[in-house]
Amino acid sequence: GESVGLHLPTLSVQEGDNSIINCAYSNSASDYFIWYKQESGKGPQFIIDIRSNMDKRQGQRVTVLLNKTVKHLSLQIAATQPGDSAVYFCAETGAGSYQLTFGKGTKLSVIP
Amino acid sequence: GAGVSQTPSNKVTEKGKYVELRCDPISGHTALYWYRQSLGQGPEFLIYFQGTGAADDSGLPNDRFFAVRPEGSVSTLKIQRTERGDSAVYLCASSLTGRDGYTFGSGTRLTVV
Repeated sequence: GESVGLHLPTLSVQEGDNSIINCAYSNSASDYFIWYKQESGKGPQFIIDIRSNMDKRQGQRVTVLLNKTVKHLSLQIAATQPGDSAVYFCAETGAGSYQLTFGKGTKLSVIP
Repeated sequence: GAGVSQTPSNKVTEKGKYVELRCDPISGHTALYWYRQSLGQGPEFLIYFQGTGAADDSGLPNDRFFAVRPEGSVSTLKIQRTERGDSAVYLCASSLTGRDGYTFGSGTRLTVV
């Protein structure tokens, strides 16, 4: 099938290393943020979310950091595995809104 | 069901034809969304349902696009007089309340020839 990663920024990491994927957002009213993983031919898969009253949230092997001052979001993946290879999108929504606005996406390639 | 189900997974249609895309959300999810994803881009919002009603249809690109959710569960996205520019992956998502983690289906890849 077609790759959703065509023409996207690419991050290549060695298996076992940590990965950091960054996302800048523009809407200062955004109060809910989600990271999604999308494999080729599949829909976006929820990874982790964070609300604007927090600056850090941890899940299994993943951590999301939110810096509202500079409107920056990052996803850290510990001990990256080949199965982590995919396109990663950040998404945001604002108070009272139900629309998700997606960022441009980053293609993560894990080198075995 | 266990996840969001979309049918068909692929649809090829001729320019000018009418198409319907179906979405079965997770059972009990009151919120349902349609998004469109072009190659190399993130999904773009089309429409949001809360129950049976379209709470926000501001993302529909023009009046050729219409969506319904008559019983508050299954939704159908309808596209009239399809154009080649409508070719994309149409994604459906559902959530329990509307402000929690959305679950997406695998999408319908629409190709207009």
